[in-house]
Amino acid sequence: QSVLTQPPSASGTPGQRVTISCSGSISNIGTNTVNWYQQLPGTAPKLLIYSNYKRPSGVPDRFSGSKSGTSASLAIRGLQSEDEADYYCAAWDDSLNGGVFGGGTKLTVL
Amino acid sequence: EVQLLESGGGLVRPGGSLRLSCAASGFDFTNNAMNWVRQAPGKGLEWLSYINSAGDTTYYADSVKGRFVISRDNSKNTLYLQMNSLRVDDTAVYYCAKGGFGLLDPWGQGTLVTVSS
Repeated sequence: QSVLTQPPSASGTPGQRVTISCSGSISNIGTNTVNWYQQLPGTAPKLLIYSNYKRPSGVPDRFSGSKSGTSASLAIRGLQSEDEADYYCAAWDDSLNGGVFGGGTKLTVL
Repeated sequence: EVQLLESGGGLVRPGGSLRLSCAASGFDFTNNAMNWVRQAPGKGLEWLSYINSAGDTTYYADSVKGRFVISRDNSKNTLYLQMNSLRVDDTAVYYCAKGGFGLLDPWGQGTLVTVSS
């Protein structure tokens, strides 16, 4: 059972917009920033979004992040086949004094 | 180019020990915090441990506290994870990642640790 809650799966067709939710609590998302990681099949995770909505250089602006209260969302517009991957949200938890990840969402491009 | 290369993984018996290394290059290792994260087969990511740039502040997940020790040698640009009292459920790919937990970037390619009798 992960501290941050994500839907286990999501799907969309090419060109569509999909969103992935991440629900936490006051001690993690409610207090600290949220990051999102993309893990393509067979590879190491890669930073996708940091500080709730910022994109590292090289990440397409099709990817966007937002946070409200104790929840966060990752949105992908103009879905492409290469977006098929596992997506994880993450935040520091002040109560645990440690980092926490969501359980991950497997995105399928139909 | 920033590179992180983990090593030291392998097969170990339950109750045994293993030390993982993460060799860093392409950035100022001395001034960057580091983390270890693992991923059990077919499962999600689990944060394990954080160490600040000086090596004098560390944090651990409850699942490894008292069994694992994170350390670093800034003269060798290398991060370590000493793993003791290993259990079957410690079987996973272990990743090192640069930065504080708010900005884990990049990640190494990972090293597989298998705990089995």
